Amino acid sequence: AQSVTQLGSHVSVSEGALVLLRCNYSSSVPPYLFWYVQYPNQGLQLLLKYTSAATLVKGINGFEAEFKKSETSFHLTKPSAHMSDAAEYFCAVRGYYGQNFVFGPGTRLSVLP
Amino acid sequence: GAGVSQTPSNKVTEKGKYVELRCDPISGHTALYWYRQSLGQGPEFLIYFQGTGAADDSGLPNDRFFAVRPEGSVSTLKIQRTERGDSAVYLCASSSPPGALYGYTFGSGTRLTVV
Repeated sequence: AQSVTQLGSHVSVSEGALVLLRCNYSSSVPPYLFWYVQYPNQGLQLLLKYTSAATLVKGINGFEAEFKKSETSFHLTKPSAHMSDAAEYFCAVRGYYGQNFVFGPGTRLSVLP
Repeated sequence: GAGVSQTPSNKVTEKGKYVELRCDPISGHTALYWYRQSLGQGPEFLIYFQGTGAADDSGLPNDRFFAVRPEGSVSTLKIQRTERGDSAVYLCASSSPPGALYGYTFGSGTRLTVV
């Protein structure tokens, strides 16, 4: 069965500090993994995706994520946080039949000045 | 249109009433999806349309929920006899080609509050 866990419902970092948002998954088919960001009162926006090519994936706004099969993880990182990064971040795995996503519960990122 | 449009953006209804939520996908997108996002949770899949037909409705929680897409474009999610537990943000997304591999474009959602 497909499932996603995100450790930490709320993460706070200082502006300029490293951002690390954790995601672990379970998948009964080869996983395709995604990170989405949601700003207040807006729809979900795709940050990046892993679809079985390179294990280190670069996305928009300076974010990247590394697929580690042995750890069943797909953690999201950014070297230097910016105030505009404050948002809710969702990790997702594709559903069994490939059409839908199974989302994690989300991590709210706060960036402190 | 330029993006996925959902109307209304907010809907307050009384318990037991019927509601309709509308989604206007990106022009030309054949695949359309509905998700529900409860407070503090990630979105949960409800239903997927390919063209006019519901290709996967396994996420609909019960028979009070129904969705249509009669002309393969605009879709309406219908909820009968609403309950307070139905309160959530209902998200619509579209894609072309279909499938999670390509990512979706999500709308801003309809916030439904059942009082």
